[in-house]
Amino acid sequence: KQEVTQIPAALSVPEGENLVLNCSFTDSAIYNLQWFRQDPGKGLTSLLLIQSSQREQTSGRLNASLDKSSGRSTLYIAASQPGDSATYLCAVRPQYGNKLVFGAGTILRVKS
Amino acid sequence: NAGVTQTPKFQVLKTGQSMTLQCAQDMNHNSMYWYRQDPGMGLRLIYYSASEGTTDKGEVPNGYNVSRLNKREFSLRLESAAPSQTSVYFCASSERFGWGGYEQYFGPGTRLTVT
Repeated sequence: KQEVTQIPAALSVPEGENLVLNCSFTDSAIYNLQWFRQDPGKGLTSLLLIQSSQREQTSGRLNASLDKSSGRSTLYIAASQPGDSATYLCAVRPQYGNKLVFGAGTILRVKS
Repeated sequence: NAGVTQTPKFQVLKTGQSMTLQCAQDMNHNSMYWYRQDPGMGLRLIYYSASEGTTDKGEVPNGYNVSRLNKREFSLRLESAAPSQTSVYFCASSERFGWGGYEQYFGPGTRLTVT
């Protein structure tokens, strides 16, 4: 059974810092991995989607990497801002089917 | 184009009451999903509908029923609510099911409290 773990559970950093969020998964037979952002009381917004054949994806200040063989992904946020404060969720899609398996998330707070 | 919409946004129920959560999407997607989100546990799949006319159980289906009313709408029913069903419920849709990695789009959620 696929399990997804995110470390740390919570992170507080001063504005301007670069930071890394970690995601690990137990079964490397995945089709893709997705990072989401969730603001308090809101739904999920997709940030980056990495296909299993890719190593990384970038969008603005965000960079996500994927090492499928070791079951790991990282989300790198450069020059963090208070507006980045949110919960970040990682989800993997198994090789077959379209059922996402989610991690519990990392709660990020960027202090001004 | 509203994407995925859910009603109601908030609901408080007493133990044993029933209710239906509504979800609709206007993206002409074939597949729809219901998840619940609990603190420290991420999102867990309750039921999904790969295409109109089909529904299947996900990871945590006990205590719930679903109806795929038409291509646009997918409802989740709690027949006899229990405090353990206090959660935030999200509906999602994707163009298709099956291998191909179709991205899922999420609604804003329904916050349900069962007392």
